[in-house]
Amino acid sequence: ETGVTQTPRHLVMGMTNKKSLKCEQHLGHNAMYWYKQSAKKPLELMFVYNFKEQTENNSVPSRFSPECPNSSHLFLHLHTLQPEDSALYLCASSRAGGLEEKLFFGSGTQLSVL
Amino acid sequence: DAKTTQPPSMDCAEGRAANLPCNHSTISGNEYVYWYRQIHSQGPQYIIHGLKNNETNEMASLIITEDRKSSTLILPHATLRDTAVYYCIVRVLNRDDKIIFGKGTRLHILP
Repeated sequence: ETGVTQTPRHLVMGMTNKKSLKCEQHLGHNAMYWYKQSAKKPLELMFVYNFKEQTENNSVPSRFSPECPNSSHLFLHLHTLQPEDSALYLCASSRAGGLEEKLFFGSGTQLSVL
Repeated sequence: DAKTTQPPSMDCAEGRAANLPCNHSTISGNEYVYWYRQIHSQGPQYIIHGLKNNETNEMASLIITEDRKSSTLILPHATLRDTAVYYCIVRVLNRDDKIIFGKGTRLHILP
Protein backbone atom coordinates (compact mmCIF):
# COMPACT_ATOMS: atom_id res chain seq x y z
CA GLU A 1 0.00 0.00 0.00
CA THR A 2 1.69 3.18 -1.22
CA GLY A 3 -0.95 5.71 -0.12
CA VAL A 4 -1.91 6.36 -3.75
CA THR A 5 -5.15 4.71 -4.89
CA GLN A 6 -6.26 4.41 -8.50
CA THR A 7 -9.66 3.34 -9.74
CA PRO A 8 -10.69 1.41 -11.68
CA ARG A 9 -7.91 -1.21 -11.88
CA HIS A 10 -9.12 -2.38 -15.28
CA LEU A 11 -11.19 -0.59 -17.92
CA VAL A 12 -12.41 -1.67 -21.33
CA MET A 13 -13.97 1.02 -23.49
CA GLY A 14 -15.07 1.56 -27.04
CA MET A 15 -13.71 4.37 -29.18
CA THR A 16 -16.89 6.44 -28.79
CA ASN A 17 -17.11 6.11 -25.00
CA LYS A 18 -16.31 8.73 -22.38
CA LYS A 19 -14.74 7.51 -19.16
CA SER A 20 -12.65 8.89 -16.31
CA LEU A 21 -9.73 7.53 -14.33
CA LYS A 22 -9.45 8.55 -10.70
CA CYS A 23 -6.44 8.93 -8.45
CA GLU A 24 -6.42 9.78 -4.75
CA GLN A 25 -3.44 10.26 -2.44
CA HIS A 26 -3.47 10.27 1.36
CA LEU A 27 0.14 11.36 1.83
CA GLY A 28 -0.25 15.12 2.13
CA HIS A 29 1.64 15.63 -1.13
CA ASN A 30 1.24 18.68 -3.33
CA ALA A 31 2.35 17.36 -6.72
CA MET A 32 0.52 14.75 -8.79
CA TYR A 33 1.40 13.10 -12.08
CA TRP A 34 -0.09 10.98 -14.86
CA TYR A 35 2.20 8.53 -16.66
CA LYS A 36 1.38 6.20 -19.54
CA GLN A 37 3.09 2.82 -19.94
CA SER A 38 2.51 1.01 -23.24
CA ALA A 39 3.62 -2.56 -23.69
CA LYS A 40 7.40 -2.87 -24.01
CA LYS A 41 7.93 0.92 -23.77
CA PRO A 42 9.28 3.13 -20.99
CA LEU A 43 6.95 5.16 -18.83
CA GLU A 44 5.90 8.38 -20.56
CA LEU A 45 5.14 11.45 -18.49
CA MET A 46 1.79 12.93 -19.55
CA PHE A 47 0.77 15.64 -17.06
CA VAL A 48 2.12 17.25 -13.91
CA TYR A 49 0.20 19.27 -11.34
CA ASN A 50 1.97 21.31 -8.66
CA PHE A 51 -0.28 22.83 -6.00
CA LYS A 52 -3.28 22.12 -8.29
CA GLU A 53 -1.69 24.02 -11.19
CA GLN A 54 -0.86 22.15 -14.35
CA THR A 55 2.86 22.67 -14.93
CA GLU A 56 3.49 20.07 -17.60
CA ASN A 57 1.56 18.86 -20.62
CA ASN A 58 3.89 16.60 -22.51
CA SER A 59 2.32 17.02 -25.97
CA VAL A 60 -0.60 14.81 -25.01
CA PRO A 61 -3.55 14.63 -27.46
CA SER A 62 -6.65 16.54 -26.41
CA ARG A 63 -8.66 13.32 -26.12
CA PHE A 64 -6.93 13.05 -22.72
CA SER A 65 -8.10 15.78 -20.34
CA PRO A 66 -6.70 15.99 -16.80
CA GLU A 67 -8.43 17.59 -13.84
CA CYS A 68 -7.00 18.34 -10.40
CA PRO A 69 -9.75 19.75 -8.15
CA ASN A 70 -7.53 19.67 -5.04
CA SER A 71 -4.08 18.43 -4.10
CA SER A 72 -5.42 15.01 -3.05
CA HIS A 73 -7.36 14.11 -6.19
CA LEU A 74 -6.46 13.78 -9.83
CA PHE A 75 -8.63 12.68 -12.73
CA LEU A 76 -7.94 11.75 -16.33
CA HIS A 77 -10.98 12.19 -18.54
CA LEU A 78 -10.98 10.07 -21.69
CA HIS A 79 -13.04 10.54 -24.84
CA THR A 80 -12.90 9.20 -28.39
CA LEU A 81 -9.77 7.18 -27.68
CA GLN A 82 -7.93 5.08 -30.24
CA PRO A 83 -6.83 1.44 -29.90
CA GLU A 84 -3.19 2.63 -29.62
CA ASP A 85 -4.16 4.39 -26.38
CA SER A 86 -4.47 0.99 -24.72
CA ALA A 87 -1.89 1.00 -21.93
CA LEU A 88 -1.30 1.04 -18.19
CA TYR A 89 -2.04 4.52 -16.83
CA LEU A 90 -0.16 5.31 -13.65
CA CYS A 91 -0.76 8.08 -11.17
CA ALA A 92 1.95 9.29 -8.82
CA SER A 93 2.35 11.93 -6.15
CA SER A 94 5.26 13.65 -4.42
CA ARG A 95 6.07 16.42 -1.98
CA ALA A 96 7.36 18.82 -4.61
CA GLY A 97 10.45 20.88 -3.97
CA GLY A 98 11.85 19.03 -0.99
CA LEU A 99 15.28 17.43 -0.75
CA GLU A 100 13.66 14.05 -0.12
CA GLU A 101 11.33 14.24 -3.10
CA LYS A 102 10.26 10.75 -4.10
CA LEU A 103 7.45 9.59 -6.35
CA PHE A 104 4.80 7.33 -4.87
CA PHE A 105 2.86 5.42 -7.52
CA GLY A 106 -0.54 3.83 -7.56
CA SER A 107 -1.08 0.36 -8.99
CA GLY A 108 -2.39 1.79 -12.25
CA THR A 109 -5.42 1.39 -14.47
CA GLN A 110 -5.02 -1.13 -17.28
CA LEU A 111 -6.98 0.40 -20.16
CA SER A 112 -8.09 -1.48 -23.27
CA VAL A 113 -9.66 0.49 -26.14
CA LEU A 114 -11.64 -1.63 -28.58
CA ASP B 1 15.25 11.32 -23.43
CA ALA B 2 16.59 9.50 -20.39
CA LYS B 3 20.04 10.67 -19.33
CA THR B 4 21.13 7.21 -18.15
CA THR B 5 22.27 3.96 -19.75
CA GLN B 6 21.52 0.58 -18.20
CA PRO B 7 21.93 -3.01 -19.43
CA PRO B 8 18.59 -4.33 -20.67
CA SER B 9 18.64 -7.45 -18.50
CA MET B 10 20.61 -9.28 -15.81
CA ASP B 11 20.39 -12.57 -13.93
CA CYS B 12 21.32 -13.14 -10.31
CA ALA B 13 21.15 -16.26 -8.14
CA GLU B 14 18.86 -16.13 -5.14
CA GLY B 15 20.76 -15.25 -1.96
CA ARG B 16 23.62 -13.57 -3.81
CA ALA B 17 24.22 -9.83 -4.13
CA ALA B 18 22.71 -8.23 -7.23
CA ASN B 19 24.82 -5.38 -8.61
CA LEU B 20 22.99 -3.21 -11.13
CA PRO B 21 25.12 -0.68 -13.04
CA CYS B 22 24.06 2.67 -14.44
CA ASN B 23 26.00 5.13 -16.59
CA HIS B 24 25.21 8.83 -16.36
CA SER B 25 28.26 10.42 -17.96
CA THR B 26 26.54 13.79 -18.61
CA ILE B 27 25.30 14.25 -15.04
CA SER B 28 25.38 17.82 -13.73
CA GLY B 29 26.70 18.84 -10.33
CA ASN B 30 23.22 19.44 -8.92
CA GLU B 31 21.59 16.27 -10.27
CA TYR B 32 20.73 13.43 -7.94
CA VAL B 33 20.77 9.73 -8.86
CA TYR B 34 17.50 7.96 -8.08
CA TRP B 35 16.61 4.28 -8.33
CA TYR B 36 13.12 2.86 -8.68
CA ARG B 37 11.89 -0.62 -9.44
CA GLN B 38 8.71 -1.93 -11.03
CA ILE B 39 7.40 -5.35 -10.22
CA HIS B 40 5.13 -6.82 -12.89
CA SER B 41 1.67 -5.18 -13.06
CA GLN B 42 2.44 -2.68 -10.31
CA GLY B 43 3.50 0.95 -10.23
CA PRO B 44 7.20 1.78 -9.75
CA GLN B 45 8.53 1.84 -6.21
CA TYR B 46 11.20 4.20 -4.88
CA ILE B 47 14.36 2.44 -3.68
CA ILE B 48 17.11 4.95 -2.88
CA HIS B 49 18.75 8.17 -4.05
CA GLY B 50 22.05 10.00 -3.60
CA LEU B 51 24.11 12.98 -4.75
CA LYS B 52 27.77 12.02 -4.33
CA ASN B 53 28.14 9.99 -1.15
CA ASN B 54 27.33 6.31 -0.97
CA GLU B 55 23.94 5.62 0.58
CA THR B 56 22.36 2.63 2.30
CA ASN B 57 18.85 1.92 3.49
CA GLU B 58 16.81 -1.14 4.39
CA MET B 59 16.30 -2.04 0.73
CA ALA B 60 19.64 -1.45 -0.97
CA SER B 61 22.98 0.34 -1.18
CA LEU B 62 23.92 2.96 -3.75
CA ILE B 63 27.56 3.34 -4.76
CA ILE B 64 28.38 6.47 -6.80
CA THR B 65 31.81 6.80 -8.42
CA GLU B 66 33.98 9.74 -7.45
CA ASP B 67 33.50 11.43 -10.84
CA ARG B 68 29.72 10.73 -10.53
CA LYS B 69 29.57 9.39 -14.07
CA SER B 70 28.28 6.02 -13.00
CA SER B 71 26.64 4.27 -10.08
CA THR B 72 25.75 0.79 -8.88
CA LEU B 73 22.67 -0.34 -7.01
CA ILE B 74 23.38 -3.27 -4.74
CA LEU B 75 20.70 -5.63 -3.41
CA PRO B 76 22.77 -7.48 -0.79
CA HIS B 77 20.82 -10.76 -0.60
CA ALA B 78 18.51 -11.05 -3.58
CA THR B 79 15.23 -12.94 -3.24
CA LEU B 80 12.71 -14.06 -5.85
CA ARG B 81 10.57 -11.05 -4.90
CA ASP B 82 13.34 -8.76 -6.19
CA THR B 83 12.58 -9.83 -9.76
CA ALA B 84 11.58 -6.54 -11.40
CA VAL B 85 12.61 -3.80 -13.82
CA TYR B 86 15.05 -1.41 -12.14
CA TYR B 87 15.22 2.21 -13.30
CA CYS B 88 18.12 4.60 -12.75
CA ILE B 89 17.15 8.28 -13.09
CA VAL B 90 19.09 11.50 -12.71
CA ARG B 91 17.31 14.72 -11.88
CA VAL B 92 17.55 18.10 -10.23
CA LEU B 93 15.33 18.64 -7.22
CA ASN B 94 13.13 21.49 -8.28
CA ARG B 95 9.47 21.68 -9.05
CA ASP B 96 10.01 22.10 -12.78
CA ASP B 97 12.33 19.16 -13.39
CA LYS B 98 10.74 16.24 -15.19
CA ILE B 99 11.20 12.72 -13.90
CA ILE B 100 12.04 10.72 -17.01
CA PHE B 101 12.14 6.92 -16.91
CA GLY B 102 14.29 5.00 -19.38
CA LYS B 103 13.96 1.33 -20.31
CA GLY B 104 15.66 0.12 -17.13
CA THR B 105 17.26 -3.25 -16.37
CA ARG B 106 15.07 -6.35 -16.13
CA LEU B 107 16.52 -8.30 -13.21
CA HIS B 108 15.75 -12.01 -13.01
CA ILE B 109 16.44 -13.71 -9.69
CA LEU B 110 17.08 -17.39 -10.31
CA PRO B 111 16.15 -20.02 -7.69
